[in-house]
Amino acid sequence: SQQGEEDPQALSIQEGENATMNCSYKTSINNLQWYRQNSGRGLVHLILIRSNEREKHSGRLRVTLDTSKKSSSLLITASRAADTASYFCATVGTGANSKLTFGKGITLSVRP
Amino acid sequence: GAVVSQHPSRVICKSGTSVKIECRSLDFQATTMFWYRQFPKQSLMLMATSNEGSKATYEQGVEKDKFLINHASLTLSTLTVTSAHPEDSSFYICSAPRLAPRETQYFGPGTRLLVL
Repeated sequence: SQQGEEDPQALSIQEGENATMNCSYKTSINNLQWYRQNSGRGLVHLILIRSNEREKHSGRLRVTLDTSKKSSSLLITASRAADTASYFCATVGTGANSKLTFGKGITLSVRP
Repeated sequence: GAVVSQHPSRVICKSGTSVKIECRSLDFQATTMFWYRQFPKQSLMLMATSNEGSKATYEQGVEKDKFLINHASLTLSTLTVTSAHPEDSSFYICSAPRLAPRETQYFGPGTRLLVL
C-alpha cells in the first residue's frame, strides 16, 4: 500500500522560480527519501532525511521533515527546465524489514 | 554513472510467452534486490524482494508462480513474467540497496514490457 501522498499532483512554474512539493505519510518512519524520475526512465535518489533530522540541504535542494505532522517538503530553488520530471517521496518504516513505500508522485514542469 | 543495470530496456512479446528481465548491480554486491511495477503516470508498486540464496518474498496480491524471481548471485536478480498477458504490460524497475558510502537505493533504468 502507498504510504506517501504528495501535494500538489502537478506543478508548473517558470524557470528561475522555486518549486515546493509536499509529502504526507501515515505511519512511523525510519527515514524519508525523495526521488526523481524522468519520463520513462528509472529513479534517481535525491536526498534522504532521517526521522531525527528536521532539515537537510543538497545543492539547490532543501528537504524538511516534521514528524509530528508526518509531512515533508522538497524545495528546489532557482529551478531549471532540466528539473522537469516526476518527483516521488518514499518512506522506510521502523520495522526490521521495512521497505521503501512510494507516494503517487508530483509532475513538475519548468517552463523555459 | 549507472550502478544498477537492467536488460532488456524494452521488450514486445506475444500473449502466452515468458519474458525474463535481468537486474545487475554493477560495482557492488547486493544480497537483496527489489522489483517494482509502474503503470503509466502512477507510482511504483513493490512486487517482491529478491533474496540471494533464498526464496523471494512477494507482496500481497502478487502471484509468485506468475512472476518468478531468481537471485542467482550477489550481483544478479532475474524476474520472469510467465505466460504473459496484455494486462502484464507495464514498466518494471529493480533496485538494490547500497549501504556504503551512504544508505540509499539504486534503481535500474527500467524495462518496458508490451504484451500483444
